[in-house]
Amino acid sequence: KNQVEQSPQSLIILEGKNCTLQCNYTVSPFSNLRWYKQDTGRGPVSLTIMTFSENTKSNGRYTATLDADTKQSSLHITASQLSDSASYICVVREEAAGNKLTFGGGTRVLVKP
Amino acid sequence: DGGITQSPKYLFRKEGQNVTLSCEQNLNHDAMYWYRQDPGQGLRLIYYSQIVNDFQKGDIAEGYSVSREKKESFPLTVTSAQKNPTAFYLCASSLGGQETQYFGPGTRLLVL
Repeated sequence: KNQVEQSPQSLIILEGKNCTLQCNYTVSPFSNLRWYKQDTGRGPVSLTIMTFSENTKSNGRYTATLDADTKQSSLHITASQLSDSASYICVVREEAAGNKLTFGGGTRVLVKP
Repeated sequence: DGGITQSPKYLFRKEGQNVTLSCEQNLNHDAMYWYRQDPGQGLRLIYYSQIVNDFQKGDIAEGYSVSREKKESFPLTVTSAQKNPTAFYLCASSLGGQETQYFGPGTRLLVL
């Protein structure tokens, strides 16, 4: 069964600090990997998307990396702000099987002043 | 103002009652989806529709029903057969089946 595992489940960081979130997946064959940001009580919003040939993608203070060989991705948040408090969800799309999406359980980030 | 909207924001269901969640988009997207989100778990696909008047079951369709009579609308009915309906329900749409999915703000369903 294809899976997407994220770690940690939650973390607390001080405003201005950096943090890195992890995503391991078993989806194969792999089409692309996307990171979403979900504010509490809202729908997810896409941050980055990477295909298997890309190993890094940035969106402002968010930088995603991908290692397709080890099936790992990370999302790095630089100089965190209070507005970064949210859940971050890793989503992997299969190349076959109707291009199905498999969602990770998310990492809940709390940025404290 | 383009986007995808869901209503209501909160919905309460009595035991044995069917309830319908609304999802509307004015993005001219062909594909629409319904997901269920439970705490600590990944989103799970309930139903999806690639085109008007056609829809497919997702991974957890039991106890749910949908219709796609108009391109911009994809309502989800939670029937009395769904024994554990308490969850956050998210609707999404995309231009095509492989394109970026854009999510609505969600509806939280609670059981009285």
